[in-house]
Amino acid sequence: AQSVAQPEDQVNVAEGNPLTVKCTYSVSGNPYLFWYVQYPNRGLQFLLKYITGDNLVKGSYGFEAEFNKSQTSFHLKKPSALVSDSALYFCAVRPLRDMRFGAGTRLTVKP
Amino acid sequence: NAGVTQTPKFQVLKTGQSMTLQCAQDMNHEYMSWYRQDPGMGLRLIHYSVGAGITDQGEVPNGYNVSRSTTEDFPLRLLSAAPSQTSVYFCASSRTFTSTDTQYFGPGTRLTVL
Repeated sequence: AQSVAQPEDQVNVAEGNPLTVKCTYSVSGNPYLFWYVQYPNRGLQFLLKYITGDNLVKGSYGFEAEFNKSQTSFHLKKPSALVSDSALYFCAVRPLRDMRFGAGTRLTVKP
Repeated sequence: NAGVTQTPKFQVLKTGQSMTLQCAQDMNHEYMSWYRQDPGMGLRLIHYSVGAGITDQGEVPNGYNVSRSTTEDFPLRLLSAAPSQTSVYFCASSRTFTSTDTQYFGPGTRLTVL
């Protein structure tokens, strides 16, 4: 079965510092991995995805993610956090006809 | 494009009542799906459709029905609401059902069953 895990329920960073939100995956075959963000009382917004090729994927709002096959990880990163980045972040993998989500990581960026 | 739209935004039901959550997309996407979001559990797939007239069950289908008579619409029916169905419901769509396609989500419906 294909799945993802987000080992941290909560991540706190100071504004201007780099941020990392962690995701590990368990996939048979090629991994197709996604990151979404959910702001309060809103739906999920697509940030970026890894299909193949370059291990560093760039996405929306200055976010990027690093795919690491040996560590089976797909961590979300941003060089300089903003208070407005505070939200709930979900990692996901998409087996055929389905999408499996992690439990989510709540990111809080403090001024 | 409006993208994926959902109505209503909020709903309160009594146990045993039935209702339909509406979902529509204007992107001509083949694939549509329904998820429920519960605290600490991420999103779980209820039902999905790979095209008009074709539906299938996801991870948590019990208590829900769907139909797909048009490409645009994918309503979710609660037959006899139970408190365990209190949740936030999201509809999503993608161009196809292939693993590389991005799903786009609606704004959600917050349902409370008393």
